[in-house]
Amino acid sequence: DGGITQSPKYLFRKEGQNVTLSCEQNLNHDAMYWYRQDPGQGLRLIYYSQIVNDFQKGDIAEGYSVSREKKESFPLTVTSAQKNPTAFYLCASSTVAGGPSGELFFGEGSRLTVL
Amino acid sequence: AQSVTQPDIHITVSEGASLELRCNYSYGATPYLFWYVQSPGQGLQLLLKYFSGDTLVQGIKGFEAEFKRSQSSFNLRKPSVHWSDAAEYFCAVGAYSGYALNFGKGTSLLVTP
Repeated sequence: DGGITQSPKYLFRKEGQNVTLSCEQNLNHDAMYWYRQDPGQGLRLIYYSQIVNDFQKGDIAEGYSVSREKKESFPLTVTSAQKNPTAFYLCASSTVAGGPSGELFFGEGSRLTVL
Repeated sequence: AQSVTQPDIHITVSEGASLELRCNYSYGATPYLFWYVQSPGQGLQLLLKYFSGDTLVQGIKGFEAEFKRSQSSFNLRKPSVHWSDAAEYFCAVGAYSGYALNFGKGTSLLVTP
């Protein structure tokens, strides 16, 4: 089945540690996105990538980093510089890159808890 | 830049009653509008979308939404709510120039027996 796979589903981290969240899609989509979700805050865009080897900062990129070495993969690293990393992280993809906003397909999310 | 407002944080309806969730957007041109639903601890699923054409759009699970340009609104409706509709609902707006969607803060729907 085509879709987006995020792993791990749950992750615990000590303060000061970096952690990487995986996102893989087999939909052959060009564009991929990372959103952060906090209660009552909706979804806020962290980073997005419209093509391999290129990515752009979203609204809350500070303390995060990404890479896009392959079309199907868009991992997110939450660094120790992120002041409040505990959140639910959602990865998404879409067919459209550089054109009209298209439907986003979402993974099931990764919940990060900093202890 | 485009933005989305969902005025209602929580809504409670009785099973079988009708439902309307409000969404207002801010955007200078014709927006691309979406409604998504999220069950607890899950990703988001698309209910319906509006790009152009007929302003009343039908979606999955018996939902519909109406685009009203004069009111900058894209309200989601369902004639008869089922207990399984209890979830968080997000309205989102996109743009022609190609960018990630902007989401509202969501409306949490509780369905009572």
